[in-house]
Amino acid sequence: GPKVLQIPSHQIIDMGQMVTLNCDPVSNHLYFYWYKQILGQQMEFLVNFYNGKVMEKSKLFKDQFSVERPDGSYFTLKIQPTALEDSAVYFCASSLPGEGAETLYFGSGTRLTVL
Amino acid sequence: GDSVTQTEGQVALSEEDFLTIHCNYSASGYPALFWYVQYPGEGPQFLFRASRDKEKGSSRGFEATYDKGTTSFHLRKASVQESDSAVYYCALGYGSSGNKLIFGIGTLLSVKP
Repeated sequence: GPKVLQIPSHQIIDMGQMVTLNCDPVSNHLYFYWYKQILGQQMEFLVNFYNGKVMEKSKLFKDQFSVERPDGSYFTLKIQPTALEDSAVYFCASSLPGEGAETLYFGSGTRLTVL
Repeated sequence: GDSVTQTEGQVALSEEDFLTIHCNYSASGYPALFWYVQYPGEGPQFLFRASRDKEKGSSRGFEATYDKGTTSFHLRKASVQESDSAVYYCALGYGSSGNKLIFGIGTLLSVKP
């Protein structure tokens, strides 16, 4: 079936550095999402993105976070600067416009460790 | 705010056993309810959904019935297989198009041959 690819699968960085997580969504999808899952906790919605703009964001989407999809390439989540509490698995998802969550396809996640 | 509770963190069964994973939700109105499954090394995959009271969702032998009275959407399967070993997430949809999800904490199902 359709695949969402996330690169890299693991990332280790020092606190205060910048990190960019990359997501290659399903080719005809137009809505993009990031979810965050801290070890042992629920997966939580961070942000969704459509037509070049952030549509909605949760309180977890701090000022240090930004998302973009330049020129139809990767959908990215940038954290600058990183903090210890940003350590988590970040899942990207994409979906068709106007459809419910049954059309959500998730990537396998990027495990971010901030030291 | 809205929430989803899964009471079992882990379930260990043998092949052909009956499976129940409990899911309760707290929300106003009639949110869409979902089950997702996550196999090792992969992201969560949509299993099925239900949108109204007494509606049954099902897929691959798994089923759950939306119960507004008990605010539940318990996952069941009559006879599990080793290949069903995975993490199962209950979720509810919210937002203007229902395409944002509030997930439960997940239940790790391990099935021994």
